[in-house]
Amino acid sequence: KAGVTQTPRYLIKTRGQQVTLSCSPISGHRSVSWYQQTPGQGLQFLFEYFSETQRNKGNFPGRFSGRQFSNSRSEMNVSTLELGDSALYLCASSSGQGNNLFTETQYFGPGTRLLVL
Amino acid sequence: AQKVTQAQTEISVVEKEDVTLDCVYETRDTTYYLFWYKQPPSGELVFLIRRNSFDEQNEISGRYSWNFQKSTSSFNFTITASQVVDSAVYFCALSESSARQLTFGSGTQLTVLP
Repeated sequence: KAGVTQTPRYLIKTRGQQVTLSCSPISGHRSVSWYQQTPGQGLQFLFEYFSETQRNKGNFPGRFSGRQFSNSRSEMNVSTLELGDSALYLCASSSGQGNNLFTETQYFGPGTRLLVL
Repeated sequence: AQKVTQAQTEISVVEKEDVTLDCVYETRDTTYYLFWYKQPPSGELVFLIRRNSFDEQNEISGRYSWNFQKSTSSFNFTITASQVVDSAVYFCALSESSARQLTFGSGTQLTVLP
């Protein structure tokens, strides 16, 4: 079974631009969660999508948005990029069927490393 | 609100030594779940173990073992006879019963020297 894939792996943007990152979950998985990893703030939850609907959201500004397609692939978008958005963005896929994360394992992709200049 | 603390930022050991990574958590929920993930240099987080708050039984899996103590809110991870391939950042994480998100600690960079 193929793992979680994320594209692109590396990205360089300038302040004010917008960026779209893509995540393809493991086949059969319907839940995709996004996390941001920075040296200062560590790993922080952005949002979760299940069956094309945002099911859960972290504490990030509205510049961070996402969507999920019918094939469970997900994209996240960051508009008006700031220097502080430089980070490793990780997505995780899971079946999505459980009520909590104990009953299903989240599998993470390799991440997209975004550098904002 | 929940919180996970990994006080050890970096640990360096020589191959074959045992090493314990500490994790202390805070939560008001009585039902919660604890996890350990490993992040090698390639970047992806690799799931190692999960525990629910009602199961304090410690576990051993090969060279890995975990010690969960509710009385001290700790969920420590020990690698026995460490190997160079164990070098990675290790994250402890918490998920409350009603949430489908992980709250991570700041991670511990483990370096195993040959």
